[in-house]
Amino acid sequence: AQSVTQLDSQVPVFEEAPVELRCNYSSSVSVYLFWYVQYPNQGLQLLLKYLSGSTLVKGINGFEAEFNKSQTSFHLRKPSVHISDTAEYFCAVSDYGGSQGNLIFGKGTKLSVKP
Amino acid sequence: NAGVMQNPRHLVRRRGQEARLRCSPMKGHSHVYWYRQLPEEGLKFMVYLQKENIIDESGMPKERFSAEFPKEGPSILRIQQVVRGDSAAYFCASSPAGVPGEKLFFGSGTQLSVL
Repeated sequence: AQSVTQLDSQVPVFEEAPVELRCNYSSSVSVYLFWYVQYPNQGLQLLLKYLSGSTLVKGINGFEAEFNKSQTSFHLRKPSVHISDTAEYFCAVSDYGGSQGNLIFGKGTKLSVKP
Repeated sequence: NAGVMQNPRHLVRRRGQEARLRCSPMKGHSHVYWYRQLPEEGLKFMVYLQKENIIDESGMPKERFSAEFPKEGPSILRIQQVVRGDSAAYFCASSPAGVPGEKLFFGSGTQLSVL
C-alpha cells in the first residue's frame, strides 16, 4: 500500500528566507508525485507534479521539487518566500496502475511566513 | 470559465438527518472525484465517477454514504443519518480525462458540521 509522510506539520519562516517542505513516500510500484497548495477557505491548487523525465520539477510561484527515487523523497523548495506563500501544502502520490484520480495525500504542512 | 463549483459552502445538520453535497465539474470535464478532509488530516479519496457510472468507490464507507453523477446535472454526495464523525470538509475534483491525477481541479469544498 502507498503512503505519504510529511515530516513537519508546521513550518514558520521569515519573509525572503529559503524554505524546504519535506515529503517521503512509500510504494512498491512506480508513482506520480504532486504538491498542492491550499489557501484559507479555498480548494487545492496544483503547484507542480512529477510524472517522468527530469527529477527537478519547477512549478508555479517560484516553487520547485526534486524527485529522489533512492530516498523516496519529493521535497518542495523555494529560495525566497513571500507573505503570500502562507498556506497549507500537501504532498500526494498516485501509482501508474491505480484508480485514476485516487491520490494518496500526506497530512499537510502549514507554512507560516512572518514579516 | 468557471472552476469546479461546490455547494453549499457550509452545511449544518443534526445527528440523524441527511446531507446532500453538490459538485458541478468544470466545463468539458466528465470525471469527478470526491475527497474528505478530517481535521488535522490530509484528504482521503472516497469515490471516482464518470457520467452515470461509479468507477472506484474503494474509499467510501460501506453504509450511509452514496454518490452519483447523472447524465444531466451535478454530482451528488449523499450522507444518510449523519453522525458527529461525519463532520469534515468534503472536496470535489474534476478532470477532463482519467489520467492519474494529472489534471485534477479542486472545488472550494463543503464544510459539513454535524451537531
